[in-house]
Amino acid sequence: SAVISQKPSRDICQRGTSLTIQCQVDSQVTMMFWYRQQPGQSLTLIATANQGSEATYESGFVIDKFPISRPNLTFSTLTVSNMSPEDSSIYLCSVERVPGELFFGEGSRLTVL
Amino acid sequence: AQTVTQSQPEMSVQEAETVTLSCTYDTSESNYYLFWYKQPPSRQMILVIRQEAYKQQNATENRFSVNFQKAAKSFSLKISDSQLGDTAMYFCASRMAQGAQKLVFGQGTRLTINP
Repeated sequence: SAVISQKPSRDICQRGTSLTIQCQVDSQVTMMFWYRQQPGQSLTLIATANQGSEATYESGFVIDKFPISRPNLTFSTLTVSNMSPEDSSIYLCSVERVPGELFFGEGSRLTVL
Repeated sequence: AQTVTQSQPEMSVQEAETVTLSCTYDTSESNYYLFWYKQPPSRQMILVIRQEAYKQQNATENRFSVNFQKAAKSFSLKISDSQLGDTAMYFCASRMAQGAQKLVFGQGTRLTINP
């Protein structure tokens, strides 16, 4: 298994502001994944973050809206920029420790007013 | 492209009963992984069980087992002797064995175990 810590656990933000979510893993991993789970919905991959290179974004997600940093092999951040109420979601960080098995953090619940 | 479909939005059973959650998927890949994840109200996603497509034997983890029908592209989860702690959202997911490693999730099934 993997221990994945996310901060903040939850936050309430005003529209037009930005929030950075942190993800810390207890050991080095090559790739980290950021998912979004909108209210009552399933999980959708936002982007894949490799250390030392630009993140790879999925269709419908862009770097200007969701900039990602990956400064080392145990840490990543996801910023939700210029937030609107539609960005209210749970954002989850995950890593693949064993091929084919993802481990998830507890998620960051974001509410935008 | 991969797709995963869960046709049961909600299910409810009594404690100690057996329940089966359905999942179908579509992929053009010959080798892939299939998963069931559990998301309790605490919202952390927990891996329940994993199946590799090249393995014919159905995966089993204690009270959890799958019925993997590759030709039918079906991957159902059976929970035996259900417990109150099994109450959660259950997501079926698939992932290619090679290349892009993202998980594609189904819509989820909300399972309630009643005392």
